[in-house]
Amino acid sequence: SQKIEQNSEALNIQEGKTATLTCNYTNYSPAYLQWYRQDPGRGPVFLLLIRENEKEKRKERLKVTFDTTLKQSLFHITASQPADSATYLCALERGQAGTALIFGKGTTLSVSS
Amino acid sequence: DVKVTQSSRYLVKRTGEKVFLECVQDMDHENMFWYRQDPGLGLRLIYFSYDVKMKEKGDIPEGYSVSREKKERFSLILESASTNQTSMYLCASSLSQFEAFFGQGTRLTVV
Repeated sequence: SQKIEQNSEALNIQEGKTATLTCNYTNYSPAYLQWYRQDPGRGPVFLLLIRENEKEKRKERLKVTFDTTLKQSLFHITASQPADSATYLCALERGQAGTALIFGKGTTLSVSS
Repeated sequence: DVKVTQSSRYLVKRTGEKVFLECVQDMDHENMFWYRQDPGLGLRLIYFSYDVKMKEKGDIPEGYSVSREKKERFSLILESASTNQTSMYLCASSLSQFEAFFGQGTRLTVV
């Protein structure tokens, strides 16, 4: 069955450093992959979408890579700030019917000043 | 501004009650979804709908049903609430192969 794994439950870094979060998947050939941010008690908020024919995508301090051979996506936040502290979720289209997303369990990032 | 609105932020219901969670989107999206989120288990898909009156089971549909009579509204129904349905419920909508927009969530407690 399809599986998404985000390797770390928690990641602690110092302000100004680059945070790198990992998302791996198995039994899948997704056409795209998405990253979301979730703050406590709130719904996830979309950050970036990368399609299978794109190797890398950037938005301000965020960068996502998508390696379909390794079945892995890396999510980078450069020059991290305490305000970046949140849970980050990766999501892939669900195999059947293709329109729904399934999510990894998330990585909780804490940026200390 | 894009909006997905869930009818309640917090809800407390008794075991055995029939519970309705309502979700409305104003973006004319064809797809709507219901997830529940529990600590350690992440977001799990309950049901989704890709058109009016159409519905598909997600990964954990047992104990739930849904209704989509209008494009903008997707309701989740707990036929007979049980304590193991205490959870955060999240509604979302999207266009196919594009990002999902989530509501603020409903924290349901079944006592």
